[in-house]
Amino acid sequence: GAGVSQSPSNKVTEKGKDVELRCDPISGHTALYWYRQSLGQGLEFLIYFQGNSAPDKSGLPSDRFSAERTGGSVSTLTIQRTQQEDSAVYLCASSLYGGLAGTLSTDTQYFGPGTRLTVL
Amino acid sequence: SQQGEEDPQALSIQEGENATMNCSYKTSINNLQWYRQNSGRGLVHLILIRSNEREKHSGRLRVTLDTSKKSSSLLITASRAADTASYFCATDAGNQFYFGTGTSLTVIP
Repeated sequence: GAGVSQSPSNKVTEKGKDVELRCDPISGHTALYWYRQSLGQGLEFLIYFQGNSAPDKSGLPSDRFSAERTGGSVSTLTIQRTQQEDSAVYLCASSLYGGLAGTLSTDTQYFGPGTRLTVL
Repeated sequence: SQQGEEDPQALSIQEGENATMNCSYKTSINNLQWYRQNSGRGLVHLILIRSNEREKHSGRLRVTLDTSKKSSSLLITASRAADTASYFCATDAGNQFYFGTGTSLTVIP
């Protein structure tokens, strides 16, 4: 069956431009997660969705970052006015169930291949 | 920072040997998960251990959790060249999910 897919796989942009990253979760998965991995760094949790709502947005690095999920399926992560420090691999994951009362799920998260963003 | 930390940062062993990597964290957790990331690939979930569990096995993997010390270890027995990857622990502390910096494991054939 199809796993989590992300597009584009690579994105090179100029500083100051806006970028939009897309994540297609596994069909039927209610929870969706965004992470960022900078070069040589660990994973950084950004945001997660339970259905279409995001209970906690405090992981987003700045107000230039936003994410939405519509129809309980596809999610987009938008970075406005990109900066060089935004360069990283952006990973998306989904899990079958979300947690209770807006908490994170204990279900297995299935990760996509990531989008490598390079800001020149 | 509430991020988990793995040690060692890098580990190189001969095929057939066991590999042990450790993870420490700072907050109370609901569960702790270990992931593997091969170069250029996405993350793969390996094993989840709940806060009320002390040890869990899955194939050649053995995970321990000591909540009093806020630490976990991942043991890979009889390592194979295909185990070469980065290994991350991740802690679920409620509304946030924290990943460590990872241990880079190289298994030499």
